[in-house]
Amino acid sequence: GDSVTQMEGPVTLSEEAFLTINCTYTATGYPSLFWYVQYPGEGLQLLLKATKADDKGSNKGFEATYRKETTSFHLEKGSVQVSDSAVYFCALSKGGSEKLVFGKGTKLTVNP
Amino acid sequence: EADIYQTPRYLVIGTGKKITLECSQTMGHDKMYWYQQDPGMELHLIHYSYGVNSTEKGDLSSESTVSRIRTEHFPLTLESARPSHTSQYLCASSDSGANVLTFGAGSRLTVL
Repeated sequence: GDSVTQMEGPVTLSEEAFLTINCTYTATGYPSLFWYVQYPGEGLQLLLKATKADDKGSNKGFEATYRKETTSFHLEKGSVQVSDSAVYFCALSKGGSEKLVFGKGTKLTVNP
Repeated sequence: EADIYQTPRYLVIGTGKKITLECSQTMGHDKMYWYQQDPGMELHLIHYSYGVNSTEKGDLSSESTVSRIRTEHFPLTLESARPSHTSQYLCASSDSGANVLTFGAGSRLTVL
């Protein structure tokens, strides 16, 4: 079945450090790929998405590129802030279905 | 601002009690979902609905039940709560044809 594997956390960085959270997927066909973020005490919010190979999603300084050859969708940010501390989820959906398959989440803590 | 509302946000109850978690959305979305989030953060789809009078079980078996009598309302009920039901429950919705989910803030249930 379809699955998403993301790097295990927790990840702790200092402010202004470079962030990478790895995400790879297994799916037949051409899924859409997403990053969702969950701030403490809140539900999930869409951070960015990409719907086809080589698409780059970006938002709030975060970026991720849909790489079909490596089945990856790694999340990056050049300079993290304390306010980026949250749990990040990689996810996929297929064929117009809104049933998302989530990774297990990666907790990021950014220290001042 | 939130367009999908969950109540209660926090609930502590004793074993054997019946509980209903409420979820309402004001966006007119056809599709609604319930996810269970375990303490390790992983998300599991337990119920979904593609419209009024339509409900389906998700990927994770759950003793809870749901109903969809009105488009905007998707309550989840546990007839007899047990400590194993302690978890965070997240409601989400999406528009047909759009593969992006909007999440509520969650209901954190503790069963003693």
